[in-house]
Formats: sequence, structure tokens, C-alpha cells
Amino acid sequence: AQTVTQSQPEMSVQEAETVTLSCTYDTSESDYYLFWYKQPPSRQMILVIRQEAYKQQNATENRFSVNFQKAAKSFSLKISDSQLGDAAMYFCAYRSKGNQFYFGTGTSLTVIP
Amino acid sequence: SQTIHQWPATLVQPVGSPLSLECTVEGTSNPNLYWYRQAAGRGLQLLFYSVGIGQISSEVPQNLSASRPQDRQFILSSKKLLLSDSGFYLCAWARGTSGTGELFFGEGSRLTVL
Repeated sequence: AQTVTQSQPEMSVQEAETVTLSCTYDTSESDYYLFWYKQPPSRQMILVIRQEAYKQQNATENRFSVNFQKAAKSFSLKISDSQLGDAAMYFCAYRSKGNQFYFGTGTSLTVIP
Repeated sequence: SQTIHQWPATLVQPVGSPLSLECTVEGTSNPNLYWYRQAAGRGLQLLFYSVGIGQISSEVPQNLSASRPQDRQFILSSKKLLLSDSGFYLCAWARGTSGTGELFFGEGSRLTVL
């Protein structure tokens, strides 16, 4: 099984500042998807952003963007202009060609007013 | 539009009792279906996934089992619960071969085994 590693159990950021969450993964596949999910206190999993491995251009969704480094197997999430509502657990996920989804252990983000 | 529902939302069961969590998807056909467990302070552990009726793959050997009796129905079961089965269980679905590739989650089921 593929492994997904999030080395930052907790992160904090001042409101309106920028924060980057790290994610690395291990795979021998060349074609796959990567995702960042957000889990607020309600526990509902919300998709933040997705990246197809064959696309070299980094995905962007409003204040959220990724830095996808395929050779390094790295997929970090940058949150710009952080807002109080961004406080949540963030999970990095990998979708294999076999349609399994593997998740990291998560990063708990605190936004300081 | 597609929706996913799972129930019950909360369950408190004694050790050794049976378990049945149910999940249904609406608005799509032949989805891939998944069961995950999230233990306190930990990530999501893939338990089972299914690409079709009666086709179940297990990622982690344990006392849990899954079944897919209908195209859009996925059931997580146990004959005898253990204390270690406590956790937050999430059902999810994804399109098999098309679409944007992401996983769509249900609301989750909180299981406490006493």
C-alpha cells in the first residue's frame, strides 16, 4: 500500500498570514491523484483542492494552492490570507490506480486572531 | 446531484455485541465505495473498499467485515465488538473511471464500545 506522511501534527498561523502544510508520499505509480481535505470540528470531510499527477501546473483554488513536486513526491498546501474558518484538521490523500485512497495522519491548524 | 448517507450517527455498544453500520449513495450508479476508521487523534485508516456488488477488498485484517448487497449500499459489520473498535467511521464514494477523482464522504458514525 502507498504511504502518505504528514510530518506536522500541529501548525498555527496568525489571521491574514500565510501557512504551508507539508505532505510526502511513497509510490511506484506514475499516474495518480492527490488531494487535500479539511475536517472542521463538525467532522465532515471537505475537499479543499486536487491535483492530477500528469499535470505539471500546480492547482489553485482561491486562497489555497499546492506545490506539487512529482520527482520529490511532495505535495504541500499553502493557505494565504488565513481566516478563522480555516481552523481544522487537514489531511493529505493519495488515490492509486487501483482506486484506493490513502490518507496521512493529519495536521491540526490553529488560526490565531 | 449525488448524496451519501450513513447511519446511525452515534452508537454505544457493549463489548461482544454485534455491529451494523449502513451507508447508501444516491444520484449515481456503480460507485466505488469505502469504509474508513478514524481513531482519536489519528488519520483515516482504510478498512474496506468495493468496486461492485459483492466485490469487497479488505485492507486491514480484523474482526470487522463489509458487504455490498446492492449497487449503492455498503454495510460494515461485526459479530463481536472489541474495545479497540471504538472510533469514528466514515463511509465514502468515488466515481470509478471518470470524473474529478475525489472521494465524497458521509457524515460519519461515532462508535463507542464499553
